[in-house]
Amino acid sequence: EILMTQSPATLSVSPGERATLSCRASQSVSSSLAWYQQKPGQAPRLLIYGASTRATDIPARFSGSGSGTEFTLTISSLQSEDFAVYYCQQYNHWPETFGQGTKVEIK
Amino acid sequence: QVQLVQSGAEVKMPGSSVKVSCKASGDIFTTSSLSWVRQAPGQGLEWVGRIIPILGMANYAQKFQGRVTITADKSTNTATMEVSSLRFDDTAVYYCARDHVGSLNTPNVYCFDPWGQGTLVTVSS
Repeated sequence: EILMTQSPATLSVSPGERATLSCRASQSVSSSLAWYQQKPGQAPRLLIYGASTRATDIPARFSGSGSGTEFTLTISSLQSEDFAVYYCQQYNHWPETFGQGTKVEIK
Repeated sequence: QVQLVQSGAEVKMPGSSVKVSCKASGDIFTTSSLSWVRQAPGQGLEWVGRIIPILGMANYAQKFQGRVTITADKSTNTATMEVSSLRFDDTAVYYCARDHVGSLNTPNVYCFDPWGQGTLVTVSS
């Protein structure tokens, strides 16, 4: 199985600031990388797929980049509703695997 | 617009079985496959298995082989996941999700969108 490693585990950011989250794959996953947002008590929501394509109705402040083994999710200006846990997921190798998550909290 | 609505929370004894259902709106059963993903309390996400409703074919992550069965009823647009021989560490929220976009390199691997609301399965004596 492909191991997905996210860093940092927790990111403390002030509203309006930029947040940068990282995800590393144990071997190349090409561009088959997705990002999800999960708020307490809710199901995950797809934000980004294909490493950089925003899902339907996702605001432009969310952007993804990278390929191969190194990926980044950037939130350009954090809004109050963006404080949540973010997961990356590879879908280039079976079975699909997720990172352990990065919690974005209010500084 | 596709929506997935899951059955309610369950409390089960160790060694018993549980069935969780996922009813889909829209044409998902004729156009997509469906996956199940679980999340233990305070933990990350783990893919369990998937079904291709139009073919009735399912496959499972290795750790769940032989203990999880996923079926689909095309007449009611409902997928069902059964977990048998329940253990304490099966306590988790189980989500169904549509297989959304696949890999360009590998068949039958996907990202997931949308997701059902989740079903908490608690295994307790």
